[in-house]
Amino acid sequence: DADVTQTPRNRITKTGKRIMLECSQTKGHDRMYWYRQDPGLGLRLIYYSFDVKDINKGEISDGYSVSRQAQAKFSLSLESAIPNQTALYFCATSNARLNTGELFFGEGSRLTVL
Amino acid sequence: AQKITQTQPGMFVQEKEAVTLDCTYDTSDPSYGLFWYKQPSSGEMIFLIYQGSYDQQNATEGRYSLNFQKARKSANLVISASQLGDSAMYFCAMRDYLDIQGAQKLVFGQGTRLTINP
Repeated sequence: DADVTQTPRNRITKTGKRIMLECSQTKGHDRMYWYRQDPGLGLRLIYYSFDVKDINKGEISDGYSVSRQAQAKFSLSLESAIPNQTALYFCATSNARLNTGELFFGEGSRLTVL
Repeated sequence: AQKITQTQPGMFVQEKEAVTLDCTYDTSDPSYGLFWYKQPSSGEMIFLIYQGSYDQQNATEGRYSLNFQKARKSANLVISASQLGDSAMYFCAMRDYLDIQGAQKLVFGQGTRLTINP
């Protein structure tokens, strides 16, 4: 089983719908992140959280919200989805004690907004 | 702010040849870290190799090595004896600091799509 699990893996929805992407991890890491990937743009940070009471905006947080329900769970919500939010979304974790800052990724959630 | 540039959108290489994927970075921090990740067509992100700015030697992991040229601010990935399974998207990334407490994130380049031909 994957250490970082994302659900759903694929989702097609319509403009205006509310969507939640969920992430859970068994790595015991305190830090969790949501990135989105678009062709030609690489991965960009949406939100990050360093513990349950800590939520921070990344570089492209508009149109998104997050919830850190527990140390192991970090969900991303699109309150009213729009077509330019069509992308591949990654949840990632890191260990504060690992000095390099390496990220451990989930398998990705492909979202299509029609 | 940190910046990562990958100037090769796509590369085509014959199987068994060595391949170099370019990555340049821009930072004013003396302490930084550089990563390479592989993304096969299935979509997952696979960590390949890490180089710290103070590491004296270039990092190596099996067939992967990182050609770290600090003065040129480049961190190219070298794959020796390429295999068909190396066909994938490759991302270079740099560790960036989010706040003065030292919280970190990774900043990614645009990626290079590598295709290995038989």
